[in-house]
Amino acid sequence: AQSVTQLGSHVSVSEGALVLLRCNYSSSVPPYLFWYVQYPNQGLQLLLKYTSAATLVKGINGFEAEFKKSETSFHLTKPSAHMSDAAEYFCAVSEGGNRDDKIIFGKGTRLHILP
Amino acid sequence: NAGVTQTPKFRILKIGQSMTLQCAQDMNHNYMYWYRQDPGMGLKLIYYSVGAGITDKGEVPNGYNVSRSTTEYFPLRLELAAPSQTSVYFCASIRDRSFGNTIYFGEGSWLTVV
Repeated sequence: AQSVTQLGSHVSVSEGALVLLRCNYSSSVPPYLFWYVQYPNQGLQLLLKYTSAATLVKGINGFEAEFKKSETSFHLTKPSAHMSDAAEYFCAVSEGGNRDDKIIFGKGTRLHILP
Repeated sequence: NAGVTQTPKFRILKIGQSMTLQCAQDMNHNYMYWYRQDPGMGLKLIYYSVGAGITDKGEVPNGYNVSRSTTEYFPLRLELAAPSQTSVYFCASIRDRSFGNTIYFGEGSWLTVV
């Protein structure tokens, strides 16, 4: 069964600094991978998703993530943090293509931006 | 196009009461999901459905029931509410399992059991 591990339930970075949110997955088949963002008291919004077309995926708001099969990772990065990036971020994995497939989410990482 | 609509947004229940969280999507999506979100625990899958008439248990199904009589609706039923069911509930849908299909979420339902 697939699973997702997000390292660090809270991450703090200074405004303008690099953002790195870590996600490792477990899957018995090539996975589908997603990053979602959740602002306070709101639902989840898709940031980006992995397709087989490219291992480096660009998303909205300047975020990107790189799929590394050898490391079973899909870390989320942004070169320069902005105050508006403060939110909770969720990595998700699914194996796709079969009836019993589920979409499993990590526990989330809350990103704090320091002025 | 409203996307995924959940009602109610907020609800307080007494222990032992029953209620149904409604979820509707107007995108003709085959797959629908119910998640609960607890602080520090991320989203846990309660039930999901791959099409009308088909439902399956997720990670935390105890205390809940679902039905999927039509493609559009996927209600979540709490029969005997317990304090442990205090949570934020999210309904989600996806068109099919083709590669990279986006999950669409409702805005959430905040449920408190007292």
